[in-house]
Amino acid sequence: GAGVSQSPSNKVTEKGKDVELRCDPISGHTALYWYRQSLGQGLEFLIYFQGNSAPDKSGLPSDRFSAERTGGSVSTLTIQRTQQEDSAVYLCASSLPTSGGAGAKNIQYFGAGTRLSVL
Amino acid sequence: EDKVVQSPLSLVVHEGDTVTLNCSYEVTNFRSLLWYKQEKKAPTFLFMLTSSGIEKKSGRLSSILDKKELFSILNITATQTGDSAVYLCAVGAGGTSYGKLTFGQGTILTVHP
Repeated sequence: GAGVSQSPSNKVTEKGKDVELRCDPISGHTALYWYRQSLGQGLEFLIYFQGNSAPDKSGLPSDRFSAERTGGSVSTLTIQRTQQEDSAVYLCASSLPTSGGAGAKNIQYFGAGTRLSVL
Repeated sequence: EDKVVQSPLSLVVHEGDTVTLNCSYEVTNFRSLLWYKQEKKAPTFLFMLTSSGIEKKSGRLSSILDKKELFSILNITATQTGDSAVYLCAVGAGGTSYGKLTFGQGTILTVHP
């Protein structure tokens, strides 16, 4: 696709329910990232996938959060037993491969996000 | 722990004014600093800086990095109402932070006609 696509754009759920958020990265981008943005805050790193390597899950706030990336493309972020503090905008980004010495000099391109509201 | 701090947190100006946004960082194994503009939804990429003292320019926007003093500035000249947005600064590092970006809290810029 032309850009990073996320769905749904908005999600309202009840406390205790599970939710799944989807991200479709830019074609050819092997690196994929999930961030969370709470009201008035900067972006908080959650998880990072690079190709077939084990993902960097160091930013996941609790074991209720998990993410998968099937076939090296589409990713799903799952939040189980949602809590009110999970309410935020969840942003996905993708970039060209980050391997090699210049890998950290990547430009991440963002989707429009999913606004999650937990009632 | 990597840290990025932006200032001011918010700024209100009139069209035609020039603004300077600041970003300071404390990062182990620094690789790059990026600026993004966020209007309603997706942050859009503005600049990536990796070397000190080299100014990047795009129209009325410019940015420069000082790796000795650990900061960057984003300048916007002749501001327009369309420049109203949240400006985000982010730092990319190596080592155990490889790949992910650490973001500042953003500067909210409001440009009045």
